[in-house]
Amino acid sequence: GAVVSQHPSRVICKSGTSVKIECRSLDFQATTMFWYRQFPKKSLMLMATSNEGSKATYEQGVEKDKFLINHASLTLSTLTVTSAHPEDSSFYICSARRGQVKGEQYFGPGTRLTVT
Amino acid sequence: KQEVTQIPAALSVPEGENLVLNCSFTDSAIYNLQWFRQDPGKGLTSLLLIQSSQREQTSGRLNASLDKSSGRSTLYIAASQPGDSATYLCAACTTSGTYKYIFGTGTRLKVLA
Repeated sequence: GAVVSQHPSRVICKSGTSVKIECRSLDFQATTMFWYRQFPKKSLMLMATSNEGSKATYEQGVEKDKFLINHASLTLSTLTVTSAHPEDSSFYICSARRGQVKGEQYFGPGTRLTVT
Repeated sequence: KQEVTQIPAALSVPEGENLVLNCSFTDSAIYNLQWFRQDPGKGLTSLLLIQSSQREQTSGRLNASLDKSSGRSTLYIAASQPGDSATYLCAACTTSGTYKYIFGTGTRLKVLA
């Protein structure tokens, strides 16, 4: 099967620090990955589309300098929350698309970020 | 811009009831629609995926239908069990640009023993 992992699963950091979240496709190559954010008891909000070897495409209202995305290889995308603040605390979920534009997407287990 | 809504937002039923969860989307130009289950504090579990050319998909006690022209999908759960308690999310995959999923607002289901 197609498996997507995220690391770490949980992270607590202090306000003002930066934190990196990894998304890996374990058994397939993913030219495109997606990053979502979920507030408590709310639905998933698409933050950005991560493209291997090129710049990420951010959704309207998402600060690209705040949420840095790097898709350095066909199996790894990273989301770095820079200068984190308590309002950045959230559940972050990634998905990876297998194959080309219409390929099936597989979701990671999520990362719980708490900023104190 | 695609918007996806789900009704009801929350539902509490006794065990054994048959349930219908509703999902509406504003742009009928979708590639597929997927239903997910999410347990508290956990990630997503894919339940059913319906391609735009399909009318329904079935898996065990679950049946999902799709009516693209009216912008609706329903998830039918037969003989509900306490273990079905979770949040159910539908997500529509757009056909424009990057084929990305837009998620619905979710239905929180509680099945009482």
